[in-house]
Amino acid sequence: GAGVSQSPRYKVTKRGQDVALRCDPISGHVSLYWYRQALGQGPEFLTYFNYEAQQDKSGLPNDRFSAERPEGSISTLTIQRTEQRDSAMYRCASSSREYNEQFFGPGTRLTVL
Amino acid sequence: AQSVSQHNHHVILSEAASLELGCNYSYGGTVNLFWYVQYPGQHLQLLLKYFSGDPLVKGIKGFEAEFIKSKFSFNLRKPSVQWSDTAEYFCAVTLSGGYQKVTFGTGTKLQVIP
Repeated sequence: GAGVSQSPRYKVTKRGQDVALRCDPISGHVSLYWYRQALGQGPEFLTYFNYEAQQDKSGLPNDRFSAERPEGSISTLTIQRTEQRDSAMYRCASSSREYNEQFFGPGTRLTVL
Repeated sequence: AQSVSQHNHHVILSEAASLELGCNYSYGGTVNLFWYVQYPGQHLQLLLKYFSGDPLVKGIKGFEAEFIKSKFSFNLRKPSVQWSDTAEYFCAVTLSGGYQKVTFGTGTKLQVIP
């Protein structure tokens, strides 16, 4: 079946604007993860959902970042009042809980000018 | 907090050379270990994984990795690399049992010269 999809693939925004990044996980996957990857670094955990419940948001850097998954499927990561330091690749992954293996989407490249 | 170290940031090899990429993690509990690969212009995909059992695991495209618990290592190997193996490789670890967030290493860029 289809893999994890993310939209938009590229987002350029001006400092101070809000952005919403979307993730559509593999059908039937109950777990969904958001990561941020800066240039030259590995993915850094942001938050995790099990079904619609946000189980772990310890990686969100500050209160400008939030995420939701209201129906246990599609998830949205929102960054308010963007700053240049928010520029990065934002990756989403989903997993079938029992196997604990994560499948990644293509990512959204966010550039804040 | 758990961490993952990848010692080689950039590796350049000629085709047919053997490859070994180092990965060490810092956690004393039971772990699950992964290697992910990102080919140019593509997204992260799983290369191989270790959950339990035989510490020598085989993945796609001729890659294998060996879990050495005493050394906290999970090195990736391939006997003979190809130009198409040019990619960035990430080692990752989670604690075993249900949900555990994944901690990634900083990645190793492999360039294979024809």
